[in-house]
Amino acid sequence: QVQLVQSGAEVKKPGASVKVSCKASGYTFTSYYVHWVRQAPGQGLEWMGVINPSGSWTNYAQKLQGRVTMTRDTSTSTDYMELSSLRSEDTAVYYCARDNSVAGTSWWLDPWGQGTLVTVSS
Amino acid sequence: SSELTQDPAVSVALGQTVRITCQGDSLRSYYASWYQQKPGQAPVLVIYGKNNRPSGIPDRFSGSSSGNTASLTITGAQAEDEADYYCYSRDSSGHHWVFGGGTKLTVL
Repeated sequence: QVQLVQSGAEVKKPGASVKVSCKASGYTFTSYYVHWVRQAPGQGLEWMGVINPSGSWTNYAQKLQGRVTMTRDTSTSTDYMELSSLRSEDTAVYYCARDNSVAGTSWWLDPWGQGTLVTVSS
Repeated sequence: SSELTQDPAVSVALGQTVRITCQGDSLRSYYASWYQQKPGQAPVLVIYGKNNRPSGIPDRFSGSSSGNTASLTITGAQAEDEADYYCYSRDSSGHHWVFGGGTKLTVL
């Protein structure tokens, strides 16, 4: 079945970087975009960015520009999201999700990874 | 603040019908998709496109759109529908994507 499996929880100090992985299975990896979404404790969902099927193009949320990098390894069907200069406000569950779209009018995310908790604390 | 606006909380009596709305300028051009999230779980897609349900989503869930407003309707709400619901679409610039702030649904 179509599935995204993420790496495990991380604890980082302020100023450090974290790299979360998302391994895809059950579909043609190089045919789909993947988005990253995060959710701070008790808060809503926040779109972070997207990477294209070949990994040659990315589009990041303005507030994360300069700190976030999304990459992919097509040989292992794995996406990566790296966030640098971590601060306490980056403490959140980070999700990857596969993009689906129709005719430039409709986009939806399905399936989602199980989520990776990143805790930033001194 | 989000470019897609949702009511923070809505309640419905068991078995009754509830509509959850999402407002934003981009919804005049793009459809929204809807996600259900229960505590400690990843979001789950419930509606996409004009009014499409993924397999496994009960037919009591439906979607509609008019002007700048997208709606998720649950006809005959069940106790298991108590959750947070989020809408998602392109932002008003068309360059990025955005989630609504979320609606907490309580089934009484």
